[in-house]
Amino acid sequence: DVKVTQSSRYLVKRTGEKVFLECVQDMDHENMFWYRQDPGLGLRLIYFSYDVKMKEKGDIPEGYSVSREKKERFSLILESASTNQTSMYLCASRPPLAEQFFGPGTRLTVL
Amino acid sequence: GQQVMQIPQYQHVQEGEDFTTYCNSSTTLSNIQWYKQRPGGHPVFLIQLVKSGEVKKQKRLTFQFGEAKKNSSLHITATQTTDVGTYFCAGPPWESGGYQKVTFGTGTKLQVIP
Repeated sequence: DVKVTQSSRYLVKRTGEKVFLECVQDMDHENMFWYRQDPGLGLRLIYFSYDVKMKEKGDIPEGYSVSREKKERFSLILESASTNQTSMYLCASRPPLAEQFFGPGTRLTVL
Repeated sequence: GQQVMQIPQYQHVQEGEDFTTYCNSSTTLSNIQWYKQRPGGHPVFLIQLVKSGEVKKQKRLTFQFGEAKKNSSLHITATQTTDVGTYFCAGPPWESGGYQKVTFGTGTKLQVIP
């Protein structure tokens, strides 16, 4: 059975902290994605990766970076968290031309 | 960049009524996918349409892909309380060959009143 896991369901951080969100998939998928979801704005793509060590900016990359050192793991990094980064973060993976499989999400609150 | 809009943003229907959500992309799509997100859950894949003008059915759900491959619709016949959730369309732009970036629509939140 397909599985995408995220390191935390809920996370509370303080402004200025460095935040790591981890995502692991067990399906050997090439493509992995990070989205943030906010009410009324849908799912907005932050970054995606189509191979190990490869990354491309999505629609809202400012304030974020990513790392993909292994095929199964895609990390989202908030270098200096700010209150406007309070959101639900969803990771997804997919093979080419197929559907996306989502993790359960991490609800991040930045105080 | 590519934009994908959905209307309406919210819809309340009485149980048993029909429901339709529309998806419009600013660019031609390689394919269109539909997802459902239950309250408190994550998006789950429903279906993918690839061909221009394609129509697919899943029980009470009917999906259409426009002739120009820039719009799509999801129609639910005789809604039930189990249909509650947010419905998203998503599609990679044609020029990407469908391999990489997928842009999601803004979503339509459906509430069904028993």
